[in-house]
Amino acid sequence: AQTVTQSQPEMSVQEAETVTLSCTYDTSESNYYLFWYKQPPSRQMILVIRQEAYKQQNATENRFSVNFQKAAKSFSLKISDSQLGDTAMYFCATLNYGGATNKLIFGTGTLLAVQP
Amino acid sequence: NAGVMQNPRHLVRRRGQEARLRCSPMKGHSHVYWYRQLPEEGLKFMVYLQKENIIDESGMPKERFSAEFPKEGPSILRIQQVVRGDSAAYFCASSRGDRGTGGIGQPQHFGDGTRLSIL
Repeated sequence: AQTVTQSQPEMSVQEAETVTLSCTYDTSESNYYLFWYKQPPSRQMILVIRQEAYKQQNATENRFSVNFQKAAKSFSLKISDSQLGDTAMYFCATLNYGGATNKLIFGTGTLLAVQP
Repeated sequence: NAGVMQNPRHLVRRRGQEARLRCSPMKGHSHVYWYRQLPEEGLKFMVYLQKENIIDESGMPKERFSAEFPKEGPSILRIQQVVRGDSAAYFCASSRGDRGTGGIGQPQHFGDGTRLSIL
């Protein structure tokens, strides 16, 4: 079974600093996608960034970037210049490619608090 | 608002009643997914549907739960004879169904969820 592990239940960072959230996963598939979603106190689920496993280049979206290490099955999220609005629960997720299904497998989340 | 629309936002039911949760996908999206988030946990996949077809229901409980996505109208997640353990946030997501990939890997965009409380 595919699993996603986020080993940091909570993290804290000062405003304007950089923070890295960890994620490891286990899959027997060779083709898959990786995602980070953000869930702020409003409880919405917001897509932050997406990485295709066959691409070696790390994805970047403004202040958000990933460090994708395929051999180590690691997919960490770096947030630069942290802002108060980044305070949220962050979920790492995987999705297999090539099968008939399209389900996301989520980790248990990391609660990030950005301190002023 | 062109996003995924879920209603109601909050739903309260007594044990034994039925709960119906609705989801209208984003415009141009033909794939719908339902996920459940229990308190203090991550989201768990329940079911994946395309118009008039259930593609993957591996995450659905065997009894009391059903889902549909009719040709016309929203997708419905139905829970019969609700119990306290059904209390959770239920999220719907939608994605495009591109010809080349059949929708696989397309980003799933989530609605705001329905918070179901069972008294």
